[in-house]
Amino acid sequence: DVKVTQSSRYLVKRTGEKVFLECVQDMDHENMFWYRQDPGLGLRLIYFSYDVKMKEKGDIPEGYSVSREKKERFSLILESASTNQTSMYLCASGEGSDTQYFGPGTRLTVL
Amino acid sequence: EDKVVQSPLSLVVHEGDTVTLNCSYEVTNFRSLLWYKQEKKAPTFLFMLTSSGIEKKSGRLSSILDKKELFSILNITATQTGDSAVYLCAGQIQGAQKLVFGQGTRLTINP
Repeated sequence: DVKVTQSSRYLVKRTGEKVFLECVQDMDHENMFWYRQDPGLGLRLIYFSYDVKMKEKGDIPEGYSVSREKKERFSLILESASTNQTSMYLCASGEGSDTQYFGPGTRLTVL
Repeated sequence: EDKVVQSPLSLVVHEGDTVTLNCSYEVTNFRSLLWYKQEKKAPTFLFMLTSSGIEKKSGRLSSILDKKELFSILNITATQTGDSAVYLCAGQIQGAQKLVFGQGTRLTINP
């Protein structure tokens, strides 16, 4: 079974703090993705990565950065958290034309 | 701009009813259409549809793709309370694993 894990289920941070969200997959997948999910907007792609040290912007990259130093780990960084970044963050991994497998999500609240 | 639109956004039915969820897409270099079910956490994969007119079935769930009219439907027969969830559809882009998601349909099954 594919397993995608995320470092926290719930996180509360203050405006201006630096926030790290970590994602680890155990299936040796090439591709990893970060989405945010907001009511009425569905899942929107923030960043993705096709290989180690490689990253590409998704549809809403502003205010975020990512890091992929190892194949199994993909980190999402909020350099200076803002209240409009309060959301559910979902990580996914996959390979080729296969489906993506999702982690359980991190619900981030920025006060 | 690539776009996926789901309807209805919300649906409430009684146990035992049959429901049809709709997904229309405008995706450049379209490869396939995916359906996911999301309960309290990670979206779980239901179907991947690549060819037009071929129904995929899994128990009480079935789905079909129409590549001429650019839409897909997800049918659930004899609904149960455990079918209550958000159902997501996504268009996959050719040559990549990138997905474009719709807003989701929140389905509630009342006993």
